[in-house]
Amino acid sequence: GQQVMQIPQYQHVQEGEDFTTYCNSSTTLSNIQWYKQRPGGHPVFLIQLVKSGEVKKQKRLTFQFGEAKKNSSLHITATQTTDVGTYFCAGEGGGSTLGRLYFGRGTQLTVWP
Amino acid sequence: KAGVTQTPRYLIKTRGQQVTLSCSPISGHRSVSWYQQTPGQGLQFLFEYFSETQRNKGNFPGRFSGRQFSNSRSEMNVSTLELGDSALYLCASSRGQRGETQYFGPGTRLLVL
Repeated sequence: GQQVMQIPQYQHVQEGEDFTTYCNSSTTLSNIQWYKQRPGGHPVFLIQLVKSGEVKKQKRLTFQFGEAKKNSSLHITATQTTDVGTYFCAGEGGGSTLGRLYFGRGTQLTVWP
Repeated sequence: KAGVTQTPRYLIKTRGQQVTLSCSPISGHRSVSWYQQTPGQGLQFLFEYFSETQRNKGNFPGRFSGRQFSNSRSEMNVSTLELGDSALYLCASSRGQRGETQYFGPGTRLLVL
């Protein structure tokens, strides 16, 4: 079945360092979404990528969707303590899986001040 | 617009009991998805309901069931609870079409003793 793999599972960085998390799907995705879950909170939508090779930026966050629409990455420049949390990618497949998002296991980011 | 609400927020049960969790989606959303979240396991997809029909199903045993009502509110039931069912249960709502963002509720934290 469809799977979305996400690495690394954990990342510890010093404040000011960069951070990247990567997602890979076993099949082509129609779109990929990114969510952030703060400690003790619930996942909150960050962004959606739809087009092959798409790049979107939100302040210090840069999101990319691969040319084959099978992989994606989230890069944070100059991390801050407010970036702490778990980042999930979620891919949407096609056909009969309409309505279902396939979530990666998430990358838990810790930022040391 | 009110967000996704889940009740109860916390629950303690003993092995062998059953439990029913409730999720009220955002007004106008017809899709409700349920996830189980345990430390280090990410978001495990349980099932998705759209217009009162189960449209997608994950790989959980039959002890986990759900339903959706005509007002799109959804319930999830777990029978014969096991210790391993202790988790945060999240529901997420969307309009149910391709490319839709999922909006998560705060979750129900279930502890099975």
